Amino acid sequence: GDSVTQMEGPVTLSEEAFLTINCTYTATGYPSLFWYVQYPGEGLQLLLKATKADDKGSNKGFEATYRKETTSFHLEKGSVQVSDSAVYFCALPYYGGSQGNLIFGKGTKLSVKP
Amino acid sequence: KAGVTQTPRYLIKTRGQQVTLSCSPISGHRSVSWYQQTPGQGLQFLFEYFSETQRNKGNFPGRFSGRQFSNSRSEMNVSTLELGDSALYLCASSSSRPSYNEQFFGPGTRLTVL
Repeated sequence: GDSVTQMEGPVTLSEEAFLTINCTYTATGYPSLFWYVQYPGEGLQLLLKATKADDKGSNKGFEATYRKETTSFHLEKGSVQVSDSAVYFCALPYYGGSQGNLIFGKGTKLSVKP
Repeated sequence: KAGVTQTPRYLIKTRGQQVTLSCSPISGHRSVSWYQQTPGQGLQFLFEYFSETQRNKGNFPGRFSGRQFSNSRSEMNVSTLELGDSALYLCASSSSRPSYNEQFFGPGTRLTVL
């Protein structure tokens, strides 16, 4: 079945370091792909998305490119800040039942130290 | 536009009790999905409602139920609470357009079962 696999956390970086969080997926066809972020004590916020192969989603300095040949959607940021400390989730929509639900990876906790 | 709102934000219940959680979607959104988030299992899909009909259901026991009203507001109910039901319950709403699966999440209801 459809699934998402994320790199295990936690990830601890110093401010201004480069960030990569790996995400690979298994799905039928070419679904849209999403990265969500959850700040401490809050719900999830959509960080970026890509709707077709080779699309690059970007937001707040984060980027991810939809690679169908490697079924990947890795999240990157060139220079992280303390305020980026959060849990990041890769997700794809599940079409088996309806349009209404997402399949999430386990999440990767990022801590950025000053 | 106002975001997705969930009430209450925090709940403490004891085993055997039942609980009702409420979710108001973004204005104009007709789809509401519910997710359970726990440290061990991550984010798991509960069910999705669209125009007062349950369209899809995750793999949860019948103690978990929901409904949607004509104004798109949704409630979920958990009966005979167990310790393992302690979790953050997230509600998400989305547009009804078929090709658009982006979901907008509320802040969640933190349920603690003692």
